[in-house]
Amino acid sequence: TQLLEQSPQFLSIQEGENLTVYCNSSSVFSSLQWYRQEPGEGPVLLVTVVTGGEVKKLKRLTFQFGDARKDSSLHITAAQPGDTGLYLCAGARSGNTPLVFGKGTRLSVIA
Amino acid sequence: GAVVSQHPSWVICKSGTSVKIECRSLDFQATTMFWYRQFPKQSLMLMATSNEGSKATYEQGVEKDKFLINHASLTLSTLTVTSAHPEDSSFYICSARDRDRGDEQFFGPGTRLTVL
Repeated sequence: TQLLEQSPQFLSIQEGENLTVYCNSSSVFSSLQWYRQEPGEGPVLLVTVVTGGEVKKLKRLTFQFGDARKDSSLHITAAQPGDTGLYLCAGARSGNTPLVFGKGTRLSVIA
Repeated sequence: GAVVSQHPSWVICKSGTSVKIECRSLDFQATTMFWYRQFPKQSLMLMATSNEGSKATYEQGVEKDKFLINHASLTLSTLTVTSAHPEDSSFYICSARDRDRGDEQFFGPGTRLTVL
């Protein structure tokens, strides 16, 4: 059972378009993290959201944590080729337990 | 801050040999480190959780005698792939949890292992 459902799995868009990636679960998380990974490299932490309903912005990226802390979304405005990569959401549960990862969204932005 | 290094970044070895991969937290103390395996175009698969000074906790299906993990200090964990076979070829990534930053995990750059 995949505890974190991430969608879409693949996304190919033109430069300048907007997109949203979703991360959903039936479980409550104490926090949720978004990572971006490029081929041959480790994931890089983009943001951590902790409070239900929280919205964080990182330049053209907007992250939202659901009110019930079960879901999250990543919205990219005016996507650029440099945004291409694998986006991973990961939920943290209480205690010193490993993060639960979604399957990832592979984004390709075409110039 | 929160930099994690891995060494080597890539390694090619013959079948039957053992390979050691190091994971270091460079500017913070990591009470917990995690080892992942990643297949092409897939997400991360957790192999084991490593706590400093204690035995690692392995995920179901991961052979602890094949993938030896040692977390001897607050800044270093090692993964040794023993008697490597071609099916062990993969991208291995470690991450470390900064005990002062709650749930956040910081990842190393990964190690590409190719077993001939």
